[in-house]
Parts: sequence; structure tokens; C-alpha cells
Amino acid sequence: AQTVTQSQPEMSVQEAETVTLSCTYDTSESDYYLFWYKQPPSRQMILVIRQEAYKQQNATENRFSVNFQKAAKSFSLKISDSQLGDAAMYFCAYRTTPPYGGATNKLIFGTGTLLAVQP
Amino acid sequence: DTEVTQTPKHLVMGMTNKKSLKCEQHMGHRAMYWYKQKAKKPPELMFVYSYEKLSINESVPSRFSPECPNSSLLNLHLHALQPEDSALYLCASSQSSRTGETQYFGPGTRLLVL
Repeated sequence: AQTVTQSQPEMSVQEAETVTLSCTYDTSESDYYLFWYKQPPSRQMILVIRQEAYKQQNATENRFSVNFQKAAKSFSLKISDSQLGDAAMYFCAYRTTPPYGGATNKLIFGTGTLLAVQP
Repeated sequence: DTEVTQTPKHLVMGMTNKKSLKCEQHMGHRAMYWYKQKAKKPPELMFVYSYEKLSINESVPSRFSPECPNSSLLNLHLHALQPEDSALYLCASSQSSRTGETQYFGPGTRLLVL
């Protein structure tokens, strides 16, 4: 079974600095997707970034980028120029490729990293 | 538009009450999900609907009863809940294509069972 591990329960960063959140996963599959979701205190889960396992290029979304190391099964999130609005719980998630013709898929979440941004 | 809406935002109910949670999306997604989330924990999958049919039930107690009346709407009927069922209930949806199946989440319903 696939597992996702986030080893940093809490992290803190100064405003305008860079922070990296760690995520490792365990799988025997070769085709899958990885996600970072952000859940601010207002609680809505928001997609931050997505990575397809077959793509070697690391995904980037503005100030958010990932370091995807497939062989090491590592998927870290880097937040550059941190802003107060980045304070949230960050969840790393894994999703298998759904079966042909199927729409259902299961997201496997890590335990989350609570990020505080200091002014 | 990547919006999933959920009503109500908050719900307080007694253990003998019957209530329902509602989730709606207008993105043309064909898969919809119910999750339960306790404070500072990741969401736990409860149910998955695909093309309006229940495809996954993660061994959820029968006091939770899902319903998908159409492709845009998902309900969760609650009956005889226990205090430990108090949690944030999240709805999500995703496309039915093989690629790009990002799940989009609603804001959740905060449920308190007294």
C-alpha cells in the first residue's frame, strides 16, 4: 500500500524568506500524481501544485516549486518570498492512476505540516 | 470556475436528529467525494461517487448515508450520530478523464454532535 510521510509537524519562516517542506512517499507504481494542498485557518483546502510522475521537470507555480526526486521518492515544496498569507497547514498527497474508464481515484494524504510565517 | 460549494457552513445536532449536508459543483466533474477531517489531521475518505454511482465506501458506519441525485449534487444524510462524529466534512470533485484528475475541495461543513 502507498504511504505518504511528512516528517515536519510544524515549521516557521520569516516573511520574505524561503522555506522547504518535506514529503516522502512509498509506492511500487511507476505512474502516479503528487500534490501539495494548502489549508489556511479558514479551512478550505486549496491546490498549490501538482506533479506527474512521468515528467522529469519540476512543477512551478509562481512562488511555489517542487523538488521531485522519483528514485528517492521525495517530493518537497519550496515557498519563495514567503508571505503572511502562506500560513496554513500543508498536506502532501499521492494519487494512483485510475483504472481505464474509471473516474474514481483515492488521494493518500500525509499528516501535514503547519507553517507559521513571522512578520 | 473551480468552485465547490457546501451547505450549511456549521451544523449542531443532537444524537437523535436527522440532518443532511449538501455539496454542489458546476464544473462538469463526474466524480465526487466525501471526506471527514478532524482538527489538525488529514482528510479521511468516506465515499466516492463516479458518474452518480457509489464506487467507494470506506467502511463508513450506516448512520452516514450518501446520495448523488445528479452529476452536480452530492448529499450526506446523517442520522443517530455520535459525539465522535463531530468534525469538518469536506466535499470534493474531480474530472472523469484519465489525466489531470485534481480534486477540488469545498469549504466544508463544521459538524458538532451533542
